Amino acid sequence: GAVVSQHPSRVICKSGTSVKIECRSLDFQATTMFWYRQFPKQSLMLMATSNEGSKATYEQGVEKDKFLINHASLTLSTLTVTSAHPEDSSFYICSAPKGDEGTDTQYFGPGTRLTVL
Amino acid sequence: AQSVSQHNHHVILSEAASLELGCNYSYGGTVNLFWYVQYPGQHLQLLLKYFSGDPLVKGIKGFEAEFIKSKFSFNLRKPSVQWSDTAEYFCAVNEGFQKLVFGTGTRLLVSP
Repeated sequence: GAVVSQHPSRVICKSGTSVKIECRSLDFQATTMFWYRQFPKQSLMLMATSNEGSKATYEQGVEKDKFLINHASLTLSTLTVTSAHPEDSSFYICSAPKGDEGTDTQYFGPGTRLTVL
Repeated sequence: AQSVSQHNHHVILSEAASLELGCNYSYGGTVNLFWYVQYPGQHLQLLLKYFSGDPLVKGIKGFEAEFIKSKFSFNLRKPSVQWSDTAEYFCAVNEGFQKLVFGTGTRLLVSP
């Protein structure tokens, strides 16, 4: 099956610093990738849609200046949490669709655990 | 906006027991439906999906789900669970182009 990787798997940073998370589709190209946030014991909440060659689309309530998304190539999307604060601590997961348009199946990365001190 | 409800937050079963996890969605139009599983310490994996056709879909590891349009439901079933099925199960609906809306998840614990 398709493989999506994320790096790093865990990161601890100080409040006020920025953290970059990478999402890669290893064996297929993805013009679109999705970034989710998962709080403890809760479901995945879609944050934004990353589009190769164009601006990301953010869900309502997600600050685009705080969560910067860059879809640099057909296999790489990055999420940068800028000026991180403790409330940004969470599990961040990316996914990439593979398949026919409109019936794509999403493949998920293993997630990145961010802890902001 | 689309919403997905999973009624069982925690389920505890003994091995060989039958499983049914409920999932209801709110959108009345054409939908694509998914069940994902997250084993402890692992990433989300697709169990099964429904796009069209036979409303009874079979997935991996003996799981199946039935799409009942009149009830806006897509319940997950397995006749006989195993200890290795201990995991968290998420129902999801495709809202528009590729975007997924997830339910809150159900934690299943299967005791040996």
